[in-house]
Amino acid sequence: AQSVTQPDIHITVSEGASLELRCNYSYGATPYLFWYVQSPGQGLQLLLKYFSGDTLVQGIKGFEAEFKRSQSSFNLRKPSVHWSDAAEYFCAVGAHSGGGADGLTFGKGTHLIIQP
Amino acid sequence: DVKVTQSSRYLVKRTGEKVFLECVQDMDHENMFWYRQDPGLGLRLIYFSYDVKMKEKGDIPEGYSVSREKKERFSLILESASTNQTSMYLCASSGGTGGQPQHFGDGTRLSIL
Repeated sequence: AQSVTQPDIHITVSEGASLELRCNYSYGATPYLFWYVQSPGQGLQLLLKYFSGDTLVQGIKGFEAEFKRSQSSFNLRKPSVHWSDAAEYFCAVGAHSGGGADGLTFGKGTHLIIQP
Repeated sequence: DVKVTQSSRYLVKRTGEKVFLECVQDMDHENMFWYRQDPGLGLRLIYFSYDVKMKEKGDIPEGYSVSREKKERFSLILESASTNQTSMYLCASSGGTGGQPQHFGDGTRLSIL
C-alpha cells in the first residue's frame, strides 16, 4: 500500500521569501503524484500533478514541484510567496491501477503561515 | 471547469439519525469519491465508485454506506450517526482510469450532537 509523509506540520515564511514544502512517498512502482491547496472553509484545489516524463512540473499560482525517484520525494517550491498563499497544502499519491481509478492517499498536510 | 457540488456546507444532526450527504458532478466523470478530513489526520478515503451501481470500500468504510444510482450523483449515508462521525466530508470526481486528478467539492461540515 502507498503512503505519503509531509514532515512539516507548520511552516512560517516571510512574504517575498522562497518556499519549499516537503513530501515523501512510499510506493512500489512509479506513482502518480499531486499537490493540492486548501484555503480555510474550502475544498481542495489542484496545484500540479506528475504522471511521467519531465521530473520538474509547473503548476498554477507560480508553484513548481520536482519528482526525485532516488529520494522518493516530490517537494513543492515557489520562489516568492504572497500573503494569499497562506493555506493548507496536501501532497497525494495515486496508484497505477489496471481498472477504474483508486482513491488517492494523502499526506496529513502542511499549514503555511505567511508573516509580513 | 469541473464543478462538484455538495448539497450542504453545514449540517447538524443527532446521534442515531440516518444522514444523507449528496454530491453531484457535471463533467460526466466515471469515478467519484468520498473522503473525511480531520485535523492532524489529513484526508481519508471512505468509499469510491468507478461506475453506476458500483462501489468499493476505502480505508475507513465502517459506519458508512454509499449509493450511486446515476452517473453524476454519489451519496454518502451514515446509517446511524455517532458523535465520532463529526467531521468535514469532501466529495471528489475524476475521469478515466487511475492517475487522473480528482476535482473536489467545497465540503460539508457535519456535526453530530
